[in-house]
Amino acid sequence: AQSVTQPDIHITVSEGASLELRCNYSYGATPYLFWYVQSPGQGLQLLLKYFSGDTLVQGIKGFEAEFKRSQSSFNLRKPSVHWSDAAEYFCAVGVPNFGNEKLTFGTGTRLTIIP
Amino acid sequence: DAGVTQSPTHLIKTRGQQVTLRCSPKSGHDTVSWYQQALGQGPQFIFQYYEEEERQRGNFPDRFSGHQFPNYSSELNVNALLLGDSALYLCASSLAGDGETQYFGPGTRLLVL
Repeated sequence: AQSVTQPDIHITVSEGASLELRCNYSYGATPYLFWYVQSPGQGLQLLLKYFSGDTLVQGIKGFEAEFKRSQSSFNLRKPSVHWSDAAEYFCAVGVPNFGNEKLTFGTGTRLTIIP
Repeated sequence: DAGVTQSPTHLIKTRGQQVTLRCSPKSGHDTVSWYQQALGQGPQFIFQYYEEEERQRGNFPDRFSGHQFPNYSSELNVNALLLGDSALYLCASSLAGDGETQYFGPGTRLLVL
């Protein structure tokens, strides 16, 4: 079965600083990979996804992520964070199954932004 | 274009009661998945419905059941509520096909006392 590890429970960065959130997955082949963001009391918003092809994917709000097969990683990056980026970030994997994909989520990384 | 909607937004129940949560998928979507998110945790997959049938199920007891209607909307039912069922219940919709993205609703927060 697939699994996802987000090693950092909580990260604090200064506004304007760069950000990298780590995600490692366990699966025998290349899964579908997603990053979602959740603001307090809200549902999940899709930031970006990787299915195949170019390993560097661009998402909304200036986020990008890079798939590294050799490291089983899909880290999320942003060159300059804004106070509005403070939220919980979840990495998820989906096993390709012809439309039957269920998502397995990591435990999340809470991002705090300081002025 | 309306996104995924869920009702109610909040719910308080007592142990042993039954609850029904509702979800309307994003326009054009035909598949609905339900997730449970306990406080401080990532969402966990409960089950998925397509063509009015349960297609996949996660590691949840039979107290959790669901239904999908011809208009693709869905219900999640939980019987004999336990304190541990307190969580945010998220509905996600997608279009059946290889690699389709799931879009999430705002969730229903259930508190069991």
